[in-house]
Amino acid sequence: SQTIHQWPATLVQPVGSPLSLECTVEGTSNPNLYWYRQAAGRGLQLLFYSVGIGQISSEVPQNLSASRPQDRQFILSSKKLLLSDSGFYLCAWRTQSINEKLFFGSGTQLSVL
Amino acid sequence: QKEVEQNSGPLSVPEGAIASLNCTYSDRVSQSFFWYRQYSGKSPELIMSIYSNGDKEDGRFTAQLNKASQYVSLLIRDSQPSDSATYLCAAVRGWNSGGYQKVTFGTGTKLQVIP
Repeated sequence: SQTIHQWPATLVQPVGSPLSLECTVEGTSNPNLYWYRQAAGRGLQLLFYSVGIGQISSEVPQNLSASRPQDRQFILSSKKLLLSDSGFYLCAWRTQSINEKLFFGSGTQLSVL
Repeated sequence: QKEVEQNSGPLSVPEGAIASLNCTYSDRVSQSFFWYRQYSGKSPELIMSIYSNGDKEDGRFTAQLNKASQYVSLLIRDSQPSDSATYLCAAVRGWNSGGYQKVTFGTGTKLQVIP
């Protein structure tokens, strides 16, 4: 069966520090992968989308970047965090079939202080 | 205009009643739709997906899609206190629409089931 792993679960970082969040998928090949952010009490904001290795689409310009170094690995990064980067970061994997589904990882709660 | 709109609620229903959650979308090339339940501090859990006009039933849940009206709904029968959560609606941009298959979420409707 397919599973999606995301870590760490929680992270507290000072303003200006770098960030690296990792997401991996098991049990499938060439998955469509997404990064979302959810600010406290808000909806899900799409950040990045990837259809394959090295293929990244950015939805919202900001100080975050994403990379897909391997087929089932999706990384979210920042060189210098801002206070506004605080939020709940979610990686998601979408199945590509007629009855498609979108599954989320367990998320990372990031607090920038 | 938001791409996917939901009433933020809270929607309060008594235990055992039917809860009706609504969602509208603006992008006519949206092809598939998802409903999620999200508990506070947790990641969204997929309830069901729908891509054809009409109703789709799964246990106590029924999703309804009307592409002409750009409207999606979720009915929860025999609501339980454990159903109290935020419900998110999402729309998937169609394969033939160009660009990538963007998945856009509404801000969610908070449901409270009163015992």
